[in-house]
Amino acid sequence: EVQLVESGGSLVQPGGSLKLSCVASGFTFSNYWMDWVRQTPGKSLEWIGEINTDGSKTNYAPSIKDRFTISRDNAKSTLYLQMSNVKSDDTAIYYCTLGYNYWGQGVMVTVSS
Amino acid sequence: DVVLTQTPPTLSATIGQSVSISCRSSQSLLDSDGDTYLNWLLQRPGQSPQLLIYSVSNLESGVPNRFSGSGSETDFTLKISGVEAEDLGVYYCMQATHAPLTFGGGTKLELK
Repeated sequence: EVQLVESGGSLVQPGGSLKLSCVASGFTFSNYWMDWVRQTPGKSLEWIGEINTDGSKTNYAPSIKDRFTISRDNAKSTLYLQMSNVKSDDTAIYYCTLGYNYWGQGVMVTVSS
Repeated sequence: DVVLTQTPPTLSATIGQSVSISCRSSQSLLDSDGDTYLNWLLQRPGQSPQLLIYSVSNLESGVPNRFSGSGSETDFTLKISGVEAEDLGVYYCMQATHAPLTFGGGTKLELK
């Protein structure tokens, strides 16, 4: 059974940094591109970015480019989202997803002073 | 960015009623490879989204066949033929033809 479990969400001050993790199981993690998507409170979904199978290629939404970095450790079957210089607009539930068919439970990030 | 406009924003239905949700794109979603990367997701209350339909009309494994998708280029429709209680939640269309990937604003399906 495919499982994606995010962690690392918390309250962070504007301008601060945070690193989210997504541990994958139930499939061969190193064979698949992975994505991060976020959902702001009461609003729709927003694609953050994606990473290829060996981590050598990433694509990002223009709204977060240069502030967020996606990486992966295939040996640990883990996907990461490094968030830097966060803003109040980054307050959201963050999901990792495999092909939009499988989603994690989401992790809450709140940016506030 | 491609803008996906969903209508209606809210849909009230009785159990057994058939309903449709529209998703209109600001650009054609027909890819140069011949495929159209328009998907439909359902997010039930308190849950993560789940994929219902991919590439306009292909039902994801395990999804009941009362769900169907149609459309082309810029106009797409999700139809539920006989709403059941488990279908309540927010439906999203999403496109993966053009970067960046974008989502519609959602249609909330509720009981009348």
